[in-house]
Amino acid sequence: NAGVMQNPRHLVRRRGQEARLRCSPMKGHSHVYWYRQLPEEGLKFMVYLQKENIIDESGMPKERFSAEFPKEGPSILRIQQVVRGDSAAYFCASSRDNYGYTFGSGTRLTVV
Amino acid sequence: GENVEQHPSTLSVQEGDSAVIKCTYSDSASNYFPWYKQELGKGPQLIIDIRSNVGEKKDQRIAVTLNKTAKHFSLHITETQPEDSAVYFCAASIRGNTPLVFGKGTRLSVIA
Repeated sequence: NAGVMQNPRHLVRRRGQEARLRCSPMKGHSHVYWYRQLPEEGLKFMVYLQKENIIDESGMPKERFSAEFPKEGPSILRIQQVVRGDSAAYFCASSRDNYGYTFGSGTRLTVV
Repeated sequence: GENVEQHPSTLSVQEGDSAVIKCTYSDSASNYFPWYKQELGKGPQLIIDIRSNVGEKKDQRIAVTLNKTAKHFSLHITETQPEDSAVYFCAASIRGNTPLVFGKGTRLSVIA
């Protein structure tokens, strides 16, 4: 029973490129959450999705960031035209009922 | 929205001693309070959680207490071991309705 799978583990992008982060939730989990973590800081909520729906995107910047969780396939967090300030660890979590989150190992994005 | 404050930010204890980490929250409607442990290079892992209808919960060497009136909750680790060294995060939410809001974390070092 695989946990939450995130890929890639590490991603390097040049300024202005696009970053695509993928997250496959645990089997049976229909709730997906994305969090961002800067060094020595806590986890900042970005977006909460269920299949094909964005439930809460209050923590996601309005510009350049988007997220989806299609009927088939993983959830995708997309960052367009990346800037150095986007460098961080991005964690995905899933749950069965918006309770008891299971986190993936994260994607560490470095913008050069 | 919810705001979670966590302290101390760093904590060093001798092996075998106890460690206590405290959190306060702002939204009196919050009713679910999990604690996560994050080891270097990994995603956060749920170690214990408590709901608002319970004042204390124990699991072997770890325990969590909740004071709803004062809006604070604490993590207690007894007989600490070197493998307890990690960053610990508290969080709060209105279960089933809102995403988890995390504190900024406590870096615990257990000195052998």
